[in-house]
Amino acid sequence: QVTLKESGPGILQPSQTLSLTCTFSGFSLSTYGMGVGWIRQPSGKGLEWLANIWWDDDKYYNPSLKNRLTISKDTSNNQAFLKITNVDTADTATYYCARIEGTMMVLFDYWGQGVMVTVSS
Amino acid sequence: DIQMTQSPTSLAASVGESVTITCLASEDIYGSLVWYQQKPGKSPQLLIYGATILEDGIPSRFSGSGSDTQYSLKINSLQPEDFASYYCQNGLSTPWTFGGGTKLELK
Repeated sequence: QVTLKESGPGILQPSQTLSLTCTFSGFSLSTYGMGVGWIRQPSGKGLEWLANIWWDDDKYYNPSLKNRLTISKDTSNNQAFLKITNVDTADTATYYCARIEGTMMVLFDYWGQGVMVTVSS
Repeated sequence: DIQMTQSPTSLAASVGESVTITCLASEDIYGSLVWYQQKPGKSPQLLIYGATILEDGIPSRFSGSGSDTQYSLKINSLQPEDFASYYCQNGLSTPWTFGGGTKLELK
């Protein structure tokens, strides 16, 4: 059974760094073709893809967030991480991590429950 | 970057009706189109991938079609649990963009 769960600070101030953790089970990020992605959703709005990391440590980022994103993984502990630097109120959203399986097409087949993050002074 | 444009942004229908949601990619994505359903307060759920392939456990009243740049999601005989938001996603290349979403509401 595949499960994912996000964790984060809940609230942080503008200009701080947001650190998110995705703890998963039922698959391994050392298995060929496996990946984890991060997606966010401001309240009442649509989905925005942020970053993906694959079993071979290949990483991709949404260019609209420029150099603010860093994705990483800890294969031994079944975790993936996302850092967003210099946050502002526009980063207030629910953040999801999701599993990616396969290499021919990127689709998110299992999602975590999401973690709400509020950026406020 | 590939842009994904969904229409309509909202749609009202009754139980038992059929509806179609469309998704237009800004360039050919060669059938690498993914659909998700999201109910209020819940995480998105994978419905269809590869434009036409139903994910395991998804009812057969859901179907996908399309190619090149134009794709559709059809829901036949709407059930109460189908009233939700629907998103398409470019599965071909980075950035793996989502469409803006379609909110399906009960008439």
